[in-house]
Amino acid sequence: EDQVTQSPEALRLQEGESSSLNCSYTVSGLRGLFWYRQDPGKGPEFLFTLYSAGEEKEKERLKATLTKKESFLHITAPKPEDSATYLCAVRGPNTGFQKLVFGTGTRLLVSP
Amino acid sequence: KAGVTQTPRYLIKTRGQQVTLSCSPISGHRSVSWYQQTPGQGLQFLFEYFSETQRNKGNFPGRFSGRQFSNSRSEMNVSTLELGDSALYLCASSLRTDTSLASYEQYFGPGTRLTVT
Repeated sequence: EDQVTQSPEALRLQEGESSSLNCSYTVSGLRGLFWYRQDPGKGPEFLFTLYSAGEEKEKERLKATLTKKESFLHITAPKPEDSATYLCAVRGPNTGFQKLVFGTGTRLLVSP
Repeated sequence: KAGVTQTPRYLIKTRGQQVTLSCSPISGHRSVSWYQQTPGQGLQFLFEYFSETQRNKGNFPGRFSGRQFSNSRSEMNVSTLELGDSALYLCASSLRTDTSLASYEQYFGPGTRLTVT
């Protein structure tokens, strides 16, 4: 069964203090790894999709990377507005299906 | 372009009642998926609809059902509500155009917060 484990559960950073969030996954035949950001009381906001090991994508202070077993979300010089829960999800090889399996997320708090 | 909209945003129901939640996808999106989010279980897949047909279903009891209309709008119904059904119900739409293996980015709505008392 597809599984996603995110670590740490919570992370507190000072503004400008770079760090990385981890997403370890077990899926036979990855069809896509997705990163989302979720603010309290809102739905997840799409950030990135990664499909194959070695792939990297960037958006402002965020950079996502992918290996055969895990993905990292690197946050460079974070600002308080980056505070949110970051969710990782994978899609397996089920034919025609769009089911995503989510991790439980990393709660990030960036202090000024 | 308007995002995914969900109505109502908040709902309070009593055990044993039933509830219907509505989702309007992004214009042009034909696939709608539903997820349940709780503090203990996180986000869990309920089902996906594409071209008015249910394409996949998660591990939820038969009390959870849905449908999709010809304009791609979707509804989700929960019958005989239980306390454990209290959750944030999220709808996501994607640009899926066929039943191939391709992955499509899913865009979420703000959710409906359901409280069962």
